[in-house]
Amino acid sequence: DVKVTQSSRYLVKRTGEKVFLECVQDMDHENMFWYRQDPGLGLRLIYFSYDVKMKEKGDIPEGYSVSREKKERFSLILESASTNQTSMYLCASRTGGANTGELFFGEGSRLTVL
Amino acid sequence: QKEVEQNSGPLSVPEGAIASLNCTYSDRGSQSFFWYRQYSGKSPELIMSIYSNGDKEDGRFTAQLNKASQYVSLLIRDSQPSDSATYLCAVNVGTYKYIFGTGTRLKVLA
Repeated sequence: DVKVTQSSRYLVKRTGEKVFLECVQDMDHENMFWYRQDPGLGLRLIYFSYDVKMKEKGDIPEGYSVSREKKERFSLILESASTNQTSMYLCASRTGGANTGELFFGEGSRLTVL
Repeated sequence: QKEVEQNSGPLSVPEGAIASLNCTYSDRGSQSFFWYRQYSGKSPELIMSIYSNGDKEDGRFTAQLNKASQYVSLLIRDSQPSDSATYLCAVNVGTYKYIFGTGTRLKVLA
């Protein structure tokens, strides 16, 4: 079974703080994704990485950056957290062999910014 | 704008009945389609993927795809209270682009 692990399930941060969300997958997947999920808005793509050190902006990259130094790990960084970044953050991975393949999600990280 | 539409529900069905969840999509070029189950406060869990027209069965779940009509559905047979969740329809519309519906909330009544 694919295992995608997000290190922090619940975080509470202050406005202006720097926030790191970590995601690790154990299936040697090439592609990794960061989404946020908000009520009524569904899942929105923040960033996508198709290989180590490679990244593409998604639909809502403003206020976020990412890092992929190792194949199994994909980090999302909020440089200066704001209250409108309060959300559920979901990491996903998939094999790079099929660009239309299945996404496997981690448990999610619920972030509250005060 | 590419869209995936789902009825938000709630869809209430009695235990043991068939639950039918529907999804329509706008991009005719879409090649792959997915159903995810999401319990409240949890992350989406993949139930089914379907890539070609017709039916695909996996246990109590059947996914149906009709590309001409641009809809995909999920049938859950012998519904159980544990099936109560939000079901997300997702459509791949490009190399790394997936469009997710906002989900249909299913309630299975014991």
